[in-house]
Amino acid sequence: AQSVTQPDIHITVSEGASLELRCNYSYGATPYLFWYVQSPGQGLQLLLKYFSGDTLVQGIKGFEAEFKRSQSSFNLRKPSVHWSDAAEYFCAVGAKAAGNKLTFGGGTRVLVKP
Amino acid sequence: GAVVSQHPSWVICKSGTSVKIECRSLDFQATTMFWYRQFPKQSLMLMATSNEGSKATYEQGVEKDKFLINHASLTLSTLTVTSAHPEDSSFYICSALTSAQVVGEQFFGPGTRLTVL
Repeated sequence: AQSVTQPDIHITVSEGASLELRCNYSYGATPYLFWYVQSPGQGLQLLLKYFSGDTLVQGIKGFEAEFKRSQSSFNLRKPSVHWSDAAEYFCAVGAKAAGNKLTFGGGTRVLVKP
Repeated sequence: GAVVSQHPSWVICKSGTSVKIECRSLDFQATTMFWYRQFPKQSLMLMATSNEGSKATYEQGVEKDKFLINHASLTLSTLTVTSAHPEDSSFYICSALTSAQVVGEQFFGPGTRLTVL
């Protein structure tokens, strides 16, 4: 069965500083990997996705993530955070072989200090 | 971009009553809709998957008689929580997938917070 772990429950970062959110997955083959952001009153928004190919993927809002097969990781990064980046972030894994089900990590809450 | 709406955004009901939550894809047709449940400070757990015109497929441990899902059209799915109890209080999120998307690319609704007294 596939699983996703986000080791950090919450992270506090200063505005303008860099951000890295960790995500580790467990799956037998190459999975589809996703990062979402959830803001209050809004639905989950897809930031970026990895299916295959280049292991460094660019997303919206200045985010990027790197797929590292050897570490079973898909960490999310942003060079300089803005106050509007304060939200809950979820990593997820999906695969056709898993019945097209999407499995989410526990989420990381990001707080941005002025 | 594509929009998925949920109605109501929040609801409070008495124990033993039934509550219906609507999920609509506003500007696209959704061949598949998913219902998730999110507990406070926790992740999303898939409850069921529904395809238009077909019976929903429920995840293990989800009571299909308690959580009735209807996907009557390509733009509407409903989740009815029957005989609700306080333990059913949660945040319910739907998402909608088009035929051109793979799972993970679906659009999510803003969620409905259910509180059962």
